[in-house]
Amino acid sequence: LAKTTQPISMDSYEGQEVNITCSHNNIATNDYITWYQQFPSQGPRFIIQGYKTKVTNEVASLFIPADRKSSTLSLPRVSLSDTAVYYCLGAKYKLSFGAGTTVTVRA
Amino acid sequence: DVKVTQSSRYLVKRTGEKVFLECVQDMDHENMFWYRQDPGLGLRLIYFSYDVKMKEKGDIPEGYSVSREKKERFSLILESASTNQTSMYLCASTLGGLSYEQYFGPGTRLTVT
Repeated sequence: LAKTTQPISMDSYEGQEVNITCSHNNIATNDYITWYQQFPSQGPRFIIQGYKTKVTNEVASLFIPADRKSSTLSLPRVSLSDTAVYYCLGAKYKLSFGAGTTVTVRA
Repeated sequence: DVKVTQSSRYLVKRTGEKVFLECVQDMDHENMFWYRQDPGLGLRLIYFSYDVKMKEKGDIPEGYSVSREKKERFSLILESASTNQTSMYLCASTLGGLSYEQYFGPGTRLTVT
């Protein structure tokens, strides 16, 4: 199962774009990459999933290079309410989430 | 909207007690999961179930058991609660197939004294 590595924390300011990169070196051929967002005292919430190239929804974009060994979650024009922990998963399930990336957005 | 509910938001139990945490989902999902979340450790998978009466161990099953007698309900059991099981417990479900999206409940904050 693909173990993921992502930065522990990132700081940003309102209106900036935030990019979080996750490494998943041994992702299986048929597995998608998923990202979740978690606010304090809540369960994680699914943001986006992708297999390769680029996926965009109303919340974020996900960029996956051809070798699929990493992925980048892009949050456009963040606001204070985007302060949260973001997790990437390199497998469908049967996997623990890592510690995630704590993104702090400042005014 | 998918709804995953957990029986309690907060629970306080004594060491040695048998503890039941209940999780119910209302969208006919095939797969259900139990995680525990501790500061700095992320969400660690305890058990998951891919069908009624079917279960598989996750990364940290020791000290826990599970039961899934009906599709919508997945129970986590602490046979003899210990203080190191004080944690936030999160239940999740997913449809299965090509869907990777897990829907999480609000969590149960369990304190074992």
